[in-house]
Amino acid sequence: DSGVTQTPKHLITATGQRVTLRCSPRSGDLSVYWYQQSLDQGLQFLIQYYNGEERAKGNILERFSAQQFPDLHSELNLSSLELGDSALYFCASSVGISGFSSYNEQFFGPGTRLTVL
Amino acid sequence: TQLLEQSPQFLSIQEGENLTVYCNSSSVFSSLQWYRQEPGEGPVLLVTVVTGGEVKKLKRLTFQFGDARKDSSLHITAAQPGDTGLYLCAGFTNTGNQFYFGTGTSLTVIP
Repeated sequence: DSGVTQTPKHLITATGQRVTLRCSPRSGDLSVYWYQQSLDQGLQFLIQYYNGEERAKGNILERFSAQQFPDLHSELNLSSLELGDSALYFCASSVGISGFSSYNEQFFGPGTRLTVL
Repeated sequence: TQLLEQSPQFLSIQEGENLTVYCNSSSVFSSLQWYRQEPGEGPVLLVTVVTGGEVKKLKRLTFQFGDARKDSSLHITAAQPGDTGLYLCAGFTNTGNQFYFGTGTSLTVIP
């Protein structure tokens, strides 16, 4: 158990719909990262927030948005869903601003499996 | 197009054998990490390397970062069934704070 929680675990919806994925970071972690994992694209970095502010942006579509709240939990909003958005969505957290160093490890949650029909 | 290419994509070996997984790119990274992911779970960090030519050992696992910081390898000695999983390399560039995962290597160790 990494200490990062994600809800829901599974989500099935239809094309054109909007969904919200939720992430609670480990206690004390200020950074939250969102990733998408699909069979054809692999694991892709979407976006990072640090203490409520957007820190880095990766391959995140304009139909997707995220935010980090004052209690540090984060939400990823996916709208106008397409079949190709079906994937595993992971949230990770780290203590510091950069989760890519030997002293600031990222801890991943169990993921949310999104199926768009 | 993937920035980080891993090879092989799939690997099935017998318990006790040695193996090497490669992670290659034409880009330079300021740090590179290796993760292992098991089905239904998120990736778990194994190691971070930051210096060109750096070698790190973690029990039966040896990680090497290329001198030019464009590639890396993971060597497992005497593989065990518990090593089974998806191995992912990931590189970080200071330019734009971008983080890229490799294409992944799915390892199966047969008892």
